[in-house]
Amino acid sequence: DGGITQSPKYLFRKEGQNVTLSCEQNLNHDAMYWYRQDPGQGLRLIYYSQIVNDFQKGDIAEGYSVSREKKESFPLTVTSAQKNPTAFYLCASSSTGWETQYFGPGTRLLVL
Amino acid sequence: DAKTTQPPSMDCAEGRAANLPCNHSTISGNEYVYWYRQIHSQGPQYIIHGLKNNETNEMASLIITEDRKSSTLILPHATLRDTAVYYCIVRVANARNAGNMLTFGGGTRLMVKP
Repeated sequence: DGGITQSPKYLFRKEGQNVTLSCEQNLNHDAMYWYRQDPGQGLRLIYYSQIVNDFQKGDIAEGYSVSREKKESFPLTVTSAQKNPTAFYLCASSSTGWETQYFGPGTRLLVL
Repeated sequence: DAKTTQPPSMDCAEGRAANLPCNHSTISGNEYVYWYRQIHSQGPQYIIHGLKNNETNEMASLIITEDRKSSTLILPHATLRDTAVYYCIVRVANARNAGNMLTFGGGTRLMVKP
Protein backbone atom coordinates (compact mmCIF):
# COMPACT_ATOMS: atom_id res chain seq x y z
CA ASP A 1 0.00 0.00 0.00
CA GLY A 2 1.28 3.47 -0.85
CA GLY A 3 1.10 6.15 1.74
CA ILE A 4 2.69 8.26 4.42
CA THR A 5 3.59 6.85 7.79
CA GLN A 6 4.50 8.73 10.95
CA SER A 7 5.93 7.30 14.11
CA PRO A 8 5.47 7.16 16.95
CA LYS A 9 1.77 7.91 17.38
CA TYR A 10 2.44 9.38 20.84
CA LEU A 11 5.75 10.78 22.09
CA PHE A 12 6.71 12.09 25.47
CA ARG A 13 9.52 14.59 25.94
CA LYS A 14 11.30 15.55 29.11
CA GLU A 15 12.41 19.11 29.74
CA GLY A 16 15.62 19.93 27.85
CA GLN A 17 15.45 16.84 25.68
CA ASN A 18 15.59 16.68 21.90
CA VAL A 19 13.16 14.28 20.23
CA THR A 20 12.85 13.18 16.61
CA LEU A 21 9.60 12.45 14.80
CA SER A 22 9.70 10.11 11.84
CA CYS A 23 7.94 10.62 8.50
CA GLU A 24 8.26 8.17 5.63
CA GLN A 25 6.46 8.04 2.27
CA ASN A 26 6.50 5.48 -0.51
CA LEU A 27 4.55 7.59 -2.99
CA ASN A 28 7.68 8.69 -4.85
CA HIS A 29 6.81 12.29 -3.97
CA ASP A 30 9.47 14.97 -4.31
CA ALA A 31 8.03 17.44 -1.78
CA MET A 32 7.48 16.88 1.93
CA TYR A 33 6.18 19.12 4.70
CA TRP A 34 5.86 19.36 8.48
CA TYR A 35 2.92 21.12 10.13
CA ARG A 36 2.04 21.76 13.75
CA GLN A 37 -1.54 21.83 15.02
CA ASP A 38 -2.56 23.15 18.44
CA PRO A 39 -5.93 22.20 19.97
CA GLY A 40 -8.85 23.74 18.11
CA GLN A 41 -6.56 25.48 15.64
CA GLY A 42 -5.62 25.10 12.01
CA LEU A 43 -2.23 23.89 10.74
CA ARG A 44 0.95 25.95 10.75
CA LEU A 45 3.91 25.16 8.55
CA ILE A 46 7.21 24.33 10.27
CA TYR A 47 9.52 23.22 7.44
CA TYR A 48 9.21 21.98 3.89
CA SER A 49 11.45 20.29 1.35
CA GLN A 50 10.93 20.28 -2.39
CA ILE A 51 13.87 18.04 -3.21
CA VAL A 52 16.42 15.81 -1.53
CA ASN A 53 19.16 17.66 0.40
CA ASP A 54 17.20 20.90 0.35
CA PHE A 55 14.66 22.33 2.78
CA GLN A 56 13.18 25.69 3.71
CA LYS A 57 11.80 27.24 6.87
CA GLY A 58 8.09 27.70 7.21
CA ASP A 59 6.21 30.11 9.45
CA ILE A 60 7.25 28.62 12.82
CA ALA A 61 10.66 26.98 12.31
CA GLU A 62 12.29 28.23 15.53
CA GLY A 63 13.13 25.36 17.86
CA TYR A 64 12.85 22.73 15.13
CA SER A 65 15.28 21.13 12.69
CA VAL A 66 14.90 18.76 9.74
CA SER A 67 16.96 16.75 7.27
CA ARG A 68 16.19 15.33 3.85
CA GLU A 69 18.89 12.82 3.03
CA LYS A 70 16.53 10.46 1.24
CA LYS A 71 13.51 11.12 -0.94
CA GLU A 72 11.34 8.87 1.21
CA SER A 73 12.21 10.34 4.59
CA PHE A 74 11.83 13.76 6.25
CA PRO A 75 12.46 13.51 10.02
CA LEU A 76 11.67 16.43 12.31
CA THR A 77 13.67 17.11 15.47
CA VAL A 78 12.02 19.11 18.22
CA THR A 79 14.91 20.69 20.09
CA SER A 80 15.12 21.92 23.67
CA ALA A 81 14.90 25.45 22.24
CA GLN A 82 11.24 24.85 21.45
CA LYS A 83 9.65 26.02 24.70
CA ASN A 84 6.10 24.94 23.97
CA PRO A 85 6.35 21.71 21.99
CA THR A 86 3.11 20.07 23.08
CA ALA A 87 1.06 19.74 19.88
CA PHE A 88 -0.12 17.43 17.13
CA TYR A 89 2.52 17.15 14.38
CA LEU A 90 1.52 16.32 10.84
CA CYS A 91 3.70 15.32 7.92
CA ALA A 92 2.54 15.66 4.31
CA SER A 93 3.92 15.03 0.85
CA SER A 94 3.09 15.99 -2.71
CA SER A 95 4.42 14.87 -6.05
CA THR A 96 5.82 18.33 -6.66
CA GLY A 97 5.77 21.56 -4.70
CA TRP A 98 2.48 22.65 -6.19
CA GLU A 99 0.44 19.47 -6.38
CA THR A 100 -2.12 18.15 -3.90
CA GLN A 101 -0.68 17.37 -0.46
CA TYR A 102 -1.45 14.11 1.30
CA PHE A 103 -1.10 13.77 5.04
CA GLY A 104 0.15 11.14 7.45
CA PRO A 105 -1.76 10.10 10.60
CA GLY A 106 0.16 12.48 12.88
CA THR A 107 2.27 12.29 16.05
CA ARG A 108 1.05 13.74 19.31
CA LEU A 109 3.93 15.16 21.37
CA LEU A 110 3.51 15.71 25.09
CA VAL A 111 5.94 17.26 27.54
CA LEU A 112 6.46 15.57 30.90
CA ASP B 1 -2.85 33.32 -0.86
CA ALA B 2 -6.37 34.68 -0.42
CA LYS B 3 -8.17 34.24 2.86
CA THR B 4 -11.30 32.17 3.24
CA THR B 5 -14.30 32.51 5.53
CA GLN B 6 -16.29 29.51 6.73
CA PRO B 7 -19.02 29.10 9.36
CA PRO B 8 -17.50 27.61 12.52
CA SER B 9 -20.02 24.79 12.78
CA MET B 10 -22.93 23.09 11.03
CA ASP B 11 -25.26 20.18 11.70
CA CYS B 12 -26.63 17.73 9.16
CA ALA B 13 -29.03 14.80 9.44
CA GLU B 14 -27.66 11.42 8.45
CA GLY B 15 -28.57 10.55 4.86
CA ARG B 16 -29.19 14.14 3.88
CA ALA B 17 -26.93 16.33 1.77
CA ALA B 18 -24.42 18.46 3.65
CA ASN B 19 -23.71 21.81 1.97
CA LEU B 20 -20.64 23.56 3.35
CA PRO B 21 -20.12 27.15 2.19
CA CYS B 22 -16.87 29.04 1.79
CA ASN B 23 -16.28 32.68 0.92
CA HIS B 24 -13.07 33.67 -0.85
CA SER B 25 -13.91 37.11 -2.17
CA THR B 26 -10.27 38.12 -2.81
CA ILE B 27 -9.36 35.03 -4.81
CA SER B 28 -7.04 35.61 -7.76
CA GLY B 29 -7.48 34.20 -11.23
CA ASN B 30 -4.73 31.63 -10.82
CA GLU B 31 -5.83 30.33 -7.41
CA TYR B 32 -7.53 26.98 -6.96
CA VAL B 33 -10.10 26.17 -4.28
CA TYR B 34 -9.15 23.10 -2.24
CA TRP B 35 -11.15 21.22 0.36
CA TYR B 36 -9.70 18.98 3.06
CA ARG B 37 -11.32 17.43 6.09
CA GLN B 38 -9.90 16.30 9.41
CA ILE B 39 -11.52 13.67 11.54
CA HIS B 40 -10.64 13.99 15.21
CA SER B 41 -6.98 13.17 15.97
CA GLN B 42 -6.21 12.14 12.40
CA GLY B 43 -4.30 13.80 9.56
CA PRO B 44 -6.23 15.96 7.09
CA GLN B 45 -7.75 14.11 4.15
CA TYR B 46 -7.87 15.62 0.67
CA ILE B 47 -11.41 15.81 -0.71
CA ILE B 48 -11.54 17.80 -3.93
CA HIS B 49 -10.27 20.91 -5.69
CA GLY B 50 -11.26 23.13 -8.61
CA LEU B 51 -10.46 26.32 -10.48
CA LYS B 52 -13.70 27.57 -12.04
CA ASN B 53 -15.76 24.63 -13.23
CA ASN B 54 -17.81 22.49 -10.90
CA GLU B 55 -16.08 19.27 -9.93
CA THR B 56 -17.31 15.90 -8.70
CA ASN B 57 -15.53 12.83 -7.41
CA GLU B 58 -16.43 9.79 -5.35
CA MET B 59 -16.39 11.79 -2.14
CA ALA B 60 -18.07 15.08 -2.93
CA SER B 61 -19.07 17.80 -5.37
CA LEU B 62 -17.59 21.29 -5.52
CA ILE B 63 -19.72 24.13 -6.80
CA ILE B 64 -17.86 27.37 -7.56
CA THR B 65 -19.82 30.53 -8.32
CA GLU B 66 -19.29 32.23 -11.65
CA ASP B 67 -17.43 35.15 -10.06
CA ARG B 68 -15.35 32.62 -8.06
CA LYS B 69 -15.88 34.56 -4.85
CA SER B 70 -17.52 31.65 -3.08
CA SER B 71 -17.91 27.92 -3.29
CA THR B 72 -19.90 25.10 -1.74
CA LEU B 73 -18.76 21.60 -0.89
CA ILE B 74 -21.58 19.09 -1.15
CA LEU B 75 -21.56 15.69 0.54
CA PRO B 76 -24.59 14.14 -1.16
CA HIS B 77 -25.57 11.58 1.48
CA ALA B 78 -23.86 12.40 4.76
CA THR B 79 -23.02 9.56 7.13
CA LEU B 80 -21.91 9.61 10.75
CA ARG B 81 -18.34 9.02 9.53
CA ASP B 82 -18.43 12.36 7.73
CA THR B 83 -18.38 14.16 11.08
CA ALA B 84 -15.17 16.20 10.87
CA VAL B 85 -13.69 19.67 10.50
CA TYR B 86 -13.81 20.77 6.85
CA TYR B 87 -11.20 23.22 5.59
CA CYS B 88 -11.58 25.42 2.51
CA ILE B 89 -8.24 26.65 1.19
CA VAL B 90 -7.23 28.73 -1.80
CA ARG B 91 -3.76 28.36 -3.22
CA VAL B 92 -1.85 29.48 -6.27
CA ALA B 93 -1.55 26.93 -9.03
CA ASN B 94 1.90 26.11 -10.36
CA ALA B 95 3.70 28.28 -7.83
CA ARG B 96 7.25 27.01 -7.99
CA ASN B 97 8.61 29.07 -5.17
CA ALA B 98 7.77 28.91 -1.49
CA GLY B 99 6.56 25.37 -1.98
CA ASN B 100 2.98 26.58 -2.48
CA MET B 101 2.04 25.86 1.09
CA LEU B 102 -1.41 25.13 2.41
CA THR B 103 -2.78 27.70 4.84
CA PHE B 104 -5.40 26.14 7.08
CA GLY B 105 -7.83 28.40 8.92
CA GLY B 106 -10.37 27.34 11.51
CA GLY B 107 -12.63 25.37 9.15
CA THR B 108 -16.24 24.26 9.66
CA ARG B 109 -16.99 21.60 12.24
CA LEU B 110 -19.67 19.40 10.63
CA MET B 111 -21.70 17.24 12.97
CA VAL B 112 -23.75 14.54 11.27
CA LYS B 113 -26.57 13.42 13.52
CA PRO B 114 -28.62 10.21 13.39
